[in-house]
Amino acid sequence: EPEVTQTPSHQVTQMGQEVILRCVPISNHLYFYWYRQILGQKVEFLVSFYNNEISEKSEIFDDQFSVERPDGSNFTLKIRSTKLEDSAMYFCASSEEGRVQPQHFGDGTRLSIL
Amino acid sequence: GQQLNQSPQSMFIQEGEDVSMNCTSSSIFNTWLWYKQDPGEGPVLLIALYKAGELTSNGRLTAQFGITRKDSFLNISASIPSDVGIYFCAGRFQGGSEKLVFGKGTKLTVNP
Repeated sequence: EPEVTQTPSHQVTQMGQEVILRCVPISNHLYFYWYRQILGQKVEFLVSFYNNEISEKSEIFDDQFSVERPDGSNFTLKIRSTKLEDSAMYFCASSEEGRVQPQHFGDGTRLSIL
Repeated sequence: GQQLNQSPQSMFIQEGEDVSMNCTSSSIFNTWLWYKQDPGEGPVLLIALYKAGELTSNGRLTAQFGITRKDSFLNISASIPSDVGIYFCAGRFQGGSEKLVFGKGTKLTVNP
């Protein structure tokens, strides 16, 4: 069964550094998402992306964050000048259609900021 | 506000027992989804619901989209040890938003 893949599985970074989290969505999906889950808490929406532009973002997704689809298969989340509170699991998801079809999630990247 | 209240927070049951968990909101949803998350992994879709009153099964799992469109429940029948994990409800609010809003999860422990 097709799945969303994310790399790396674990990223350790010094505070203030930039990180790029990578995702390969399911191949026929057109809508892409990033969510985060702080340890022990619920999954929170960050951003949705369709047709090479952001379609929706949360208040968490400030100027520190950016997303990009650099080629036909990858979807990335960049976090500039990381802070301790950015430590979390970051999940990528994709769906065939944005407002009805279910979103399928990858296994996440655990980001640890030191 | 755009909050989902999921209960119970945790459940400890014996293998073979049935389980029920639910989510409620003060807002109207147009989609309800139920996911299961195992440690160190991402949420895995169990059941998707699209219409008020819809009742859908997936093996031993059954979920319903409430008539008022503000709630949903998930039942697991005849639980087995591999049912252990955290179950999340998630929904899309009426109005065309793409984002999923998640509940806080129900942690299920099954004693063999």
